[in-house]
Amino acid sequence: NAGVTQTPKFQVLKTGQSMTLQCAQDMNHEYMSWYRQDPGMGLRLIHYSVGAGITDQGEVPNGYNVSRSTTEDFPLRLLSAAPSQTSVYFCASRGTVASGGYTFGSGTRLTVV
Amino acid sequence: AQSVTQLGSHVSVSEGALVLLRCNYSSSVPPYLFWYVQYPNQGLQLLLKYTTGATLVKGINGFEAEFKKSETSFHLTKPSAHMSDAAEYFCAVSFGGGNEKLTFGTGTRLTIIP
Repeated sequence: NAGVTQTPKFQVLKTGQSMTLQCAQDMNHEYMSWYRQDPGMGLRLIHYSVGAGITDQGEVPNGYNVSRSTTEDFPLRLLSAAPSQTSVYFCASRGTVASGGYTFGSGTRLTVV
Repeated sequence: AQSVTQLGSHVSVSEGALVLLRCNYSSSVPPYLFWYVQYPNQGLQLLLKYTTGATLVKGINGFEAEFKKSETSFHLTKPSAHMSDAAEYFCAVSFGGGNEKLTFGTGTRLTIIP
């Protein structure tokens, strides 16, 4: 099925470990983004990309890196995990606004201990 | 900077009653407005969106919202609540024209009372 695929669905990390959250979409969307969701704070934008080779910071970028080498993939890297990064992470992509808005993946629940 | 305010982090309504979830935004340019729904342990699903044209927008599951520029509001309504409507609802805004970032409100958890 067409959409946004995130892996893994669950992950537990120890403080200081690094990992990559994967995001792939098969809708040929130029725009992709990463959000984190924390209770009472809604979704906050971490990084976004308007096309292959182009990325920019969102509201809460510290501690995270991204790259966009292809249109389909937009991985999120945690360089040195901290307990404050315990959250649910969502990847989203978008074609044109008129076509239907943003499509979200099912999320990755990350716990840092 | 763009922002979204959702009034009421928790709203409870009786089954069959009107659902009203409030959303206000701040913007100096015409916005694109969205409502998303999130069921427990799931991702976000688009309910409806306003970009241009008719200010009353109808979405899925019987929900609708009206864009009121003078009030900078985009409240979500449903005439008759159903138990399956229990979820968290997020209002979001973007501005297009090269500004692609989607900014979310903090969410409203809707509880339906049998």
